[in-house]
Amino acid sequence: EDQVTQSPEALRLQEGESSSLNCSYTVSGLRGLFWYRQDPGKGPEFLFTLYSAGEEKEKERLKATLTKKESFLHITAPKPEDSATYLCAVNSGGYQKVTFGTGTKLQVIP
Amino acid sequence: KAGVTQTPRYLIKTRGQQVTLSCSPISGHRSVSWYQQTPGQGLQFLFEYFSETQRNKGNFPGRFSGRQFSNSRSEMNVSTLELGDSALYLCASSTGLAGGGEQFFGPGTRLTVL
Repeated sequence: EDQVTQSPEALRLQEGESSSLNCSYTVSGLRGLFWYRQDPGKGPEFLFTLYSAGEEKEKERLKATLTKKESFLHITAPKPEDSATYLCAVNSGGYQKVTFGTGTKLQVIP
Repeated sequence: KAGVTQTPRYLIKTRGQQVTLSCSPISGHRSVSWYQQTPGQGLQFLFEYFSETQRNKGNFPGRFSGRQFSNSRSEMNVSTLELGDSALYLCASSTGLAGGGEQFFGPGTRLTVL
């Protein structure tokens, strides 16, 4: 069965302090890795899809990278509005369903 | 373009009752997936419907069921509610199957079982 592990569970950063969130996965044939952002009281909002090792995608202060065993979400010079829970999910050819990790709760302090 | 809508937003039920939740996907989206979100377990996949057919199912008991109508709207039903069913139920829609790419999530239905 597909497994997704995210670390750390929670992260507190000062505004402008760059860091990375980790998503480790075990799947039988990765078909896609997804990053979502979830604000309190709302549904997750799509950020990125990565398909193969070595792929990178960027959006404003966020950059997602993918290796054969894990993905990183790099946050450069974060702002308080980046505070949210970041979710990683995978889709594998074996099960054809999306499996989510439990998320990293990011807090950016002014 | 209207987003994914879910009704009701909040629901309080007692053990043993049943409940039906509704999800209207984005216009043109044929896939609807349902997830249960709890603080300890995160988002757990319930099932996915595509063109009125259930395509995938998660590891939930048979008390959890769903269906999709010809207009892509979907409902999920939980019978014989248990305290552990208290959770945020999210639905997500996509143009193709959920695993193919971006899913658009609704705001969720917060179910409390007393």
